[in-house]
Amino acid sequence: KAGVTQTPRYLIKTRGQQVTLSCSPISGHRSVSWYQQTPGQGLQFLFEYFSETQRNKGNFPGRFSGRQFSNSRSEMNVSTLELGDSALYLCASSLVASGGGQQFFGPGTRLTVL
Amino acid sequence: TQLLEQSPQFLSIQEGENLTVYCNSSSVFSSLQWYRQEPGEGPVLLVTVVTGGEVKKLKRLTFQFGDARKDSSLHITAAQPGDTGLYLCAGVGYGGTASKLTFGTGTRLQVTL
Repeated sequence: KAGVTQTPRYLIKTRGQQVTLSCSPISGHRSVSWYQQTPGQGLQFLFEYFSETQRNKGNFPGRFSGRQFSNSRSEMNVSTLELGDSALYLCASSLVASGGGQQFFGPGTRLTVL
Repeated sequence: TQLLEQSPQFLSIQEGENLTVYCNSSSVFSSLQWYRQEPGEGPVLLVTVVTGGEVKKLKRLTFQFGDARKDSSLHITAAQPGDTGLYLCAGVGYGGTASKLTFGTGTRLQVTL
């Protein structure tokens, strides 16, 4: 069974631009969560989607948004990029929502904002 | 706000040595998970401890969940170079917030020959 895939793996943007990251969960998994990982703040929860609905949200500004499609694939969008948005963005999928199952992480998208 | 503090932050040891990583919080969690992350990859779940006082063994790794469900430890016996990586603990909340993992600050372990 294929694991969680994220595209692109690397991305370089400039301040003020926007970016869209994609996550394809493990086949059959309906929950997708997004995390931001930085050296200073560690791994922080962004949001969780289940059956196309956002179920949980972390403490990030409104510039960070996401959505989930009917095939469970998810995208996250960051608008008006800031230097501090440079990070590894990880998505994780699980069979069920809200702690009902193990989360499997993808390899991440490394975003650099110049 | 980081709710889970791990210590030490960095650990460099030689093959064959033993080590313990601690994960402490002021919050109570329904369960505690431990992950290992290697460069260029996402975290991989090692174990979930659920019951206060629980001890789980995974080959040379021993995980313990504190009685009060606020802290946990990971002990590695006879470390090997393959154990090198970033170790993360993560607290699982209750009910509707259970999927909102709260990660620890991380412990970077390097095991040399």
